[in-house]
This record gives sequence, structure tokens and C-alpha cells, in this order.
Amino acid sequence: DVKVTQSSRYLVKRTGEKVFLECVQDMDHENMFWYRQDPGLGLRLIYFSYDVKMKEKGDIPEGYSVSREKKERFSLILESTSTNQTSMYLCASRLAGGSETQYFGPGTRLLVL
Amino acid sequence: SQQGEEDPQALSIQEGENATMNCSYKTSINNLQWYRQNSGRGLVHLILIRSNEREKHSGRLRVTLDTSKKSSSLLITASRAADTASYFCATGLYNTDKLIFGTGTRLQVFP
Repeated sequence: DVKVTQSSRYLVKRTGEKVFLECVQDMDHENMFWYRQDPGLGLRLIYFSYDVKMKEKGDIPEGYSVSREKKERFSLILESTSTNQTSMYLCASRLAGGSETQYFGPGTRLLVL
Repeated sequence: SQQGEEDPQALSIQEGENATMNCSYKTSINNLQWYRQNSGRGLVHLILIRSNEREKHSGRLRVTLDTSKKSSSLLITASRAADTASYFCATGLYNTDKLIFGTGTRLQVFP
């Protein structure tokens, strides 16, 4: 079975702090994704990566950056958190080639005070 | 608005009853997928139906796709309390690696 893990389940940060959210998958998937999930808005794509050192902006990249130095690891970076970044963050991975099944991690619930 | 919109937003039923959720979308799709999310957890893939398919089954799940109406439905038969979750449709578009998720249907199954 595909396993996608995320570094934290819950995080509480103060405005202006830097946050790293890490995602690791164990199935040698080329593609990885970061979403945020907010009530009434569903899942929105922040960034995705086709392969190592490759990244593409999603629908809401502002305020975020990403890093993919190794195939299994995709990090989401919030350089200076703001209260409107309070959300559930979900990582997913997928074998390359089209819009097929994505495998999700358990999510990180981030609260910015 | 969202590419995929589920209807209803919330649904409450008794164990043993069937649950039907609908998804409408706007643009042409390559495939449509349904995911389940238990409270506070990640999403789990349930089933994928391709644009040239009309119906697909997996266990107690039945998915239909009507590309002329740009809609899909997910039927869960003989529901159980463990089916309580949010259900999302996601559309896979041509020439893109993205999935576009809807806002979900919250299903509550009472024992």
C-alpha cells in the first residue's frame, strides 16, 4: 500500500513565524502535491511537483514556497505566517502520467495566532 | 465557482439505507474520481470512472457518469455507521496533471 506521511498532525504558530511542513511518500511516485482545505471551499492546490527539483504553481501559491530535493520528500514552506493561513494542509502523491489517483497523507492542521 | 459541486451538502440516513450523492462539473473531463475523508483525516480514493465509461461498481459503491449532463452520482448501498464521512468528487481534465475537487457531501449514517 502507498504510504504518505506528514511531519505534524497539529501545529500552532504565531504570526510572522516560519513554518516547514514536510511530506514523505514511500512508493517512488514522481508527482507530489500540496493542498489546503477550508470549510466551504474544498481542496485548493497550492503547489505541485512533477519530479525532483521541479515545481509548478497551483491555484493559490501566494505566501507559500516548496522544495523537492529528493524524490520521496516534498516540503511546503510558509516564510512568514499570517492568520489567513490557518487551515488544514494535505499532501498527496501520484505515479506520473495524467490525472490518475492521488494518495493523501493524514493532513496537518495549522493554527496561526 | 468550483469545477465540481456536490449535492447535497449534507445527508443523514439510517444504517441499511442507500445514500446517493451527486456531482456536477463544468468542463470536459478525462476522468472523475470519488474520495472519502473521515473527520480530520486525509482523503482516501474510492473509485475512478473514465469519460468513456457510464457506470462502475466497487463493492457497495456504484458510480455513474453522464458526460452529456456533466454529472456523476455515487451510490452507497446498505450503508453502515462506518460510512460516516465527507465524500468529494474530483475531476481530471485533459492535458493537465491537476485534479479539481468539489466542496464535498457530509454523510452521517445513524446506527
